[in-house]
Amino acid sequence: EDQVTQSPEALRLQEGESSSLNCSYTVSGLRGLFWYRQDPGKGPEFLFTLYSAGEEKEKERLKATLTKKESFLHITAPKPEDSATYLCAVQARMDDYKLSFGAGTTVTVRA
Amino acid sequence: NAGVTQTPKFQVLKTGQSMTLQCAQDMNHEYMSWYRQDPGMGLRLIHYSVGAGITDQGEVPNGYNVSRSTTEDFPLRLLSAAPSQTSVYFCASSPRGYQPQHFGDGTRLSIL
Repeated sequence: EDQVTQSPEALRLQEGESSSLNCSYTVSGLRGLFWYRQDPGKGPEFLFTLYSAGEEKEKERLKATLTKKESFLHITAPKPEDSATYLCAVQARMDDYKLSFGAGTTVTVRA
Repeated sequence: NAGVTQTPKFQVLKTGQSMTLQCAQDMNHEYMSWYRQDPGMGLRLIHYSVGAGITDQGEVPNGYNVSRSTTEDFPLRLLSAAPSQTSVYFCASSPRGYQPQHFGDGTRLSIL
């Protein structure tokens, strides 16, 4: 069974204080690993897809990386507007339809 | 461009009542799905559809029913509401199942 574990559960940062979120996964053949951002009272918003170990994707202050066992979401010089819950999900190569989600990391950035 | 629209946004039911959560998308996506989100847990797949007339069960299908008569709409029916179904429900769509999904803003459902 596919499993996704995110750590830490919560992260409090000062504005400008860079940090990383971890997503550890087990899946029988990875098709893709997805990162989403979720604001309170809203649905998840797609950020990145990573397909193979060594791949990196960047968007503004966010950078996602992938190894064979985990993914990291690096937040560089965060701003208060980066406060959100970040969700990680994996999809197995043999399954076109099912995403397995982690419980998320809630990031709070203080000015 | 509305994306994925879910109604209602909030609902309170009594145990044993039935209701339908509505989901509509205007992006002509083939794949649609329903998830529930509970505190401390990841989103869990309830049912999904790969096109009009085709549906299948996800990880937690018991107590829920779906149908897909059009590409745009994918309603989720609670047959006989139970307190364990108190949750936030999200509908999502994508061009294909393996592509990034677009989510609605959810329906917050409480069963008393």
